[in-house]
Amino acid sequence: EPEVTQTPSHQVTQMGQEVILRCVPISNHLYFYWYRQILGQKVEFLVSFYNNEISEKSEIFDDQFSVERPDGSNFTLKIRSTKLEDSAMYFCASSRDHSGSGYEQYFGPGTRLTVT
Amino acid sequence: GEDVEQSLFLSVREGDSSVINCTYTDSSSTYLYWYKQEPGAGLQLLTYIFSNMDMKQDQRLTVLLNKKDKHLSLRIADTQTGDSAIYFCAETAFWGNAGNMLTFGGGTRLMVKP
Repeated sequence: EPEVTQTPSHQVTQMGQEVILRCVPISNHLYFYWYRQILGQKVEFLVSFYNNEISEKSEIFDDQFSVERPDGSNFTLKIRSTKLEDSAMYFCASSRDHSGSGYEQYFGPGTRLTVT
Repeated sequence: GEDVEQSLFLSVREGDSSVINCTYTDSSSTYLYWYKQEPGAGLQLLTYIFSNMDMKQDQRLTVLLNKKDKHLSLRIADTQTGDSAIYFCAETAFWGNAGNMLTFGGGTRLMVKP
């Protein structure tokens, strides 16, 4: 069964460093998403991406964040200068469509980012 | 903004039915979802219901939607120890062709006792 994969599973970085979190969405999916879950808090939407551009972003997704689909398979989230409060589990998701029966979002296993 | 709320914890005995409840505030919610998260794992989509439906059954899972009260529930029949996990309710409302963000509840931790 196709699945969303994410690497690395755990990333430790120092405050102020740049990190890139990587995701490989399901191959025939067209819509891509990043969410995060700070420990003990709700899963929060960060950004959605379609047709090589951001389609929606939340207030959390400020200028420190960027997303890219550098090739036909990868989808990345870059945090330019990490802060302590960026420590969280980051989930990538993808969906085949934006409506109807293909809308379901499938999630990867997550990358745990620890900023020290 | 939209809000989704769930109770934190539910404990049941193996073989009993579990009912996990969720309330939401967004009256334009179109799809409502249930995800399962096992320790150390990602979010596994269990089932979803479209807002024009009242009920959806999928093997041991039954989803009930009361749109008037903005209440969603997930019933797991014959609960097994392998069902122990955190269950997240999520909702979305369509806003065009750009894809749709999910708004999640805080998750209900289901513990199944043998």
